[in-house]
Amino acid sequence: GQQVMQIPQYQHVQEGEDFTTYCNSSTTLSNIQWYKQRPGGHPVFLIQLVKSGEVKKQKRLTFQFGEAKKNSSLHITATQTTDVGTYFCAGGGAAGNKLTFGGGTRVLVKP
Amino acid sequence: KAGVTQTPRYLIKTRGQQVTLSCSPISGHRSVSWYQQTPGQGLQFLFEYFSETQRNKGNFPGRFSGRQFSNSRSEMNVSTLELGDSALYLCASSEFGGRNYEQYFGPGTRLTVT
Repeated sequence: GQQVMQIPQYQHVQEGEDFTTYCNSSTTLSNIQWYKQRPGGHPVFLIQLVKSGEVKKQKRLTFQFGEAKKNSSLHITATQTTDVGTYFCAGGGAAGNKLTFGGGTRVLVKP
Repeated sequence: KAGVTQTPRYLIKTRGQQVTLSCSPISGHRSVSWYQQTPGQGLQFLFEYFSETQRNKGNFPGRFSGRQFSNSRSEMNVSTLELGDSALYLCASSEFGGRNYEQYFGPGTRLTVT
C-alpha cells in the first residue's frame, strides 16, 4: 500500500484565507520534499526538509517537518489565485532508497 | 542550464502496439526517474536509472522497461499497450537521485492508447 498519505485530497479555499495540507508516512523519513504542479504543468520542486522539527518559510508558504520525521505540513496564508495547483509531498526512505510521493492535495481557490 | 526535455510531447497509439519515450536530463545530472501520472492516482514510480544502471524499480509489469545511455539520456519502453496505459509519463532528473535529492521534472509525454 501507499506509504505516504496526504490529506485532504481536495481543498477549496476562499481567496485571502489560510489553509494547511498534511503529509503522513508510516515509516521514519530521511527527508521530506514538497512539489507544486500547476494545472496542465509538471511538478516543480519547492523545498526540502531534513531535520526533525524543521520549519522553513517561502513567502506565504510555511513548511514543517514533524519531530518524529514521519509527518509534514504545508501552510499557506492569504491564499491567492496563483496558489492553484496540486501540492505533492515526497518522503525519502519511506520505501527504500527512493522518493515516495503522496497522492497530492489539489487546491482550488475561489475568488 | 537547460531543463529536462521529453519527446514526444503527445502520442496516440493503439492497443497492442509498443512505444518508446525519451528523456534528456539536466546537464550534469546522472539520475533519471520515470513516473506515470493518471487522474486520481498521483505519481506512480516506474524506475530510476543512475549511471546507466537501474537502481530502483516500482510495481509495474514487465511490459514497462527502460534504459539509460552514457550521456545520461534515458528511454522508456512500453510493449503491448493496454488502454489503461493512457497517462502522462514524467521523467525527472536529479544530480545523484535516490531518496535525498530533489528532482527536476520534464514537461511529460501524454500517451493516449485507443
